[in-house]
Amino acid sequence: QKEVEQDPGPLSVPEGAIVSLNCTYSNSAFQYFMWYRQYSRKGPELLMYTYSSGNKEDGRFTAQVDKSSKYISLFIRDSQPSDSATYLCAGRGNAGNMLTFGGGTRLMVKP
Amino acid sequence: GAVVSQHPSWVICKSGTSVKIECRSLDFQATTMFWYRQFPKQSLMLMATSNEGSKATYEQGVEKDKFLINHASLTLSTLTVTSAHPEDSSFYICSASVPMGTGELFFGEGSRLTVL
Repeated sequence: QKEVEQDPGPLSVPEGAIVSLNCTYSNSAFQYFMWYRQYSRKGPELLMYTYSSGNKEDGRFTAQVDKSSKYISLFIRDSQPSDSATYLCAGRGNAGNMLTFGGGTRLMVKP
Repeated sequence: GAVVSQHPSWVICKSGTSVKIECRSLDFQATTMFWYRQFPKQSLMLMATSNEGSKATYEQGVEKDKFLINHASLTLSTLTVTSAHPEDSSFYICSASVPMGTGELFFGEGSRLTVL
């Protein structure tokens, strides 16, 4: 079992839809959680960063962490075609800075 | 966020030659950088952790003599693919985190290597 699991998709939604992207993880030591967006043939770009359980909102994006169920979510409101990309979740513990990534979910937002 | 730059972004080489990819942290000093490899439609595969002034730590299954990593300064790490073969064709991405920061990794733009 991978430490961080993600449905690879592709997830196809119409423009304007609310998108829910999810990850599960198995390492109880994870305290920091991140979401990255990767466009084709580009390096990943940090979208959201959260510490421990709770919600964090930034514009159309909301990151949610539930440590009790080891579940991480990213919500995208009013999705746009420009949101079409692969979304990677990642977690790490307190020590060091090595991230463990999920496999990524490919999102397609159709106009 | 912090800026990490990679060069070249795209390189084509002949089989048997060596290729060097540079990773620079532009606005911060990075004691640790990470090198990843990514195949089409797959996630990031960590190859090695590059530590400034010391030897890199390679992940299991990654040939250290094949993928030479040098982290000679706090702002530069290089990955050299030696005696490249077509199976080394891939997307290589480096990342770094800001020291004493909150631990977010910032990625370079990636380097696409095609070995003919």
